[in-house]
Amino acid sequence: DQQVKQNSPSLSVQEGRISILNCDYTNSMFDYFLWYKKYPAEGPTFLISISSIKDKNEDGRFTVFLNKSAKHLSLHIVPSQPGDSAVYFCAASMGGTASKLTFGTGTRLQVTL
Amino acid sequence: GAVVSQHPSRVICKSGTSVKIECRSLDFQATTMFWYRQFPKQSLMLMATSNEGSKATYEQGVEKDKFLINHASLTLSTLTVTSAHPEDSSFYICSARTGWVANYGYTFGSGTRLTVV
Repeated sequence: DQQVKQNSPSLSVQEGRISILNCDYTNSMFDYFLWYKKYPAEGPTFLISISSIKDKNEDGRFTVFLNKSAKHLSLHIVPSQPGDSAVYFCAASMGGTASKLTFGTGTRLQVTL
Repeated sequence: GAVVSQHPSRVICKSGTSVKIECRSLDFQATTMFWYRQFPKQSLMLMATSNEGSKATYEQGVEKDKFLINHASLTLSTLTVTSAHPEDSSFYICSARTGWVANYGYTFGSGTRLTVV
């Protein structure tokens, strides 16, 4: 049972434009959401997170939006850069931060010149 | 910042042998470690949660006798894949709970690529 889903396995965006990565979840008990960036054969790198009490969190080029009623979150990267090319995972936890994470299936982002 | 050192980064072993993967927290004490595995083009699946000084908690479907986890100190957790078979070939990643730091409670190791031949 995949509780966290990323329905787009891949996304291609031109440099300078906005990248929008989507994530859906089914468990309404999740109260904390995180986005990670991952390169092959490396561990995930934390990007940004959001608590369920908020609907938006921004950090530089990265913004995460949360729609609790739709059980949907998205990561916006503006402007996209070639160095952003990687696999992006959303993850969710319940019971506060540092509880175990449930990861989505990942979206491979390719930023083209 | 918090760093988790995981090694080896890559290991090839023969079928039937055992392989040990180590994760060390370098500049903090990790009371809790999480072990994940990732098959190609798939999600990171949590295998088990280990707490220092106590038995690990395994996720449903993970064989605890096959994947031995030891968390004997606050800076070291190990995962031993016993009697490895080709289907155990995967990417294994550890993660330490670090508490309220900039990465919101988790630091990941760099992963271990296990290939069983």
